[in-house]
Amino acid sequence: DTAVSQTPKYLVTQMGNDKSIKCEQNLGHDTMYWYKQDSKKFLKIMFSYNNKELIINETVPNRFSPKSPDKAHLNLHINSLELGDSAVYFCASSPPAGVRSPLHFGNGTRLTVT
Amino acid sequence: GIQVEQSPPDLILQEGANSTLRCNFSDSVNNLQWFHQNPWGQLINLFYIPSGTKQNGRLSATTVATERYSLLYISSSQTTDSGVYFCAVRPPRAAGNKLTFGGGTRVLVKP
Repeated sequence: DTAVSQTPKYLVTQMGNDKSIKCEQNLGHDTMYWYKQDSKKFLKIMFSYNNKELIINETVPNRFSPKSPDKAHLNLHINSLELGDSAVYFCASSPPAGVRSPLHFGNGTRLTVT
Repeated sequence: GIQVEQSPPDLILQEGANSTLRCNFSDSVNNLQWFHQNPWGQLINLFYIPSGTKQNGRLSATTVATERYSLLYISSSQTTDSGVYFCAVRPPRAAGNKLTFGGGTRVLVKP
């Protein structure tokens, strides 16, 4: 019944590795997002996709590459992981821009790079 | 871009106390949400409130869009109310529907 689900919940890996986080929503929304929460709890948008098309890329390093195979899925692939990538990553979804409706967030993926 | 400021940054309450959290924003908005991030890290949707007043149990929220602020009221606080409360907004012209978050108010309710 989970509206926005992301896997894995925890991810511990070493510097230099490549990892992916998956996100799926069953709300029928057209727009999906990735947000990053840093160690000071500050939440900032990274990417937004509308119906599989990238519409926001907030000066995120090229090592981060989102992939949207269909409008219900938005995965995040990270190459050559660095210590500074340690954070909690949240996926979210919403109806299209212009529709007054809340964003719905997944439960987050805590990434720890050692 | 739009600026979102929340106050106070930290709040310590005795169980049973009432409190008010504030969110100021620098531009008009067509989306404003309040979230509670619980100690397990989950972001719980509390209110979708671009204007007006809503109540849900012991929590209520009021947004005065013309004056660019929103208030979250917690009444008869319980230890389960502990966590971080975020306000997030979206201006009408925001690309891609993105929400901009405030820095949060960290609440600790003591038994």
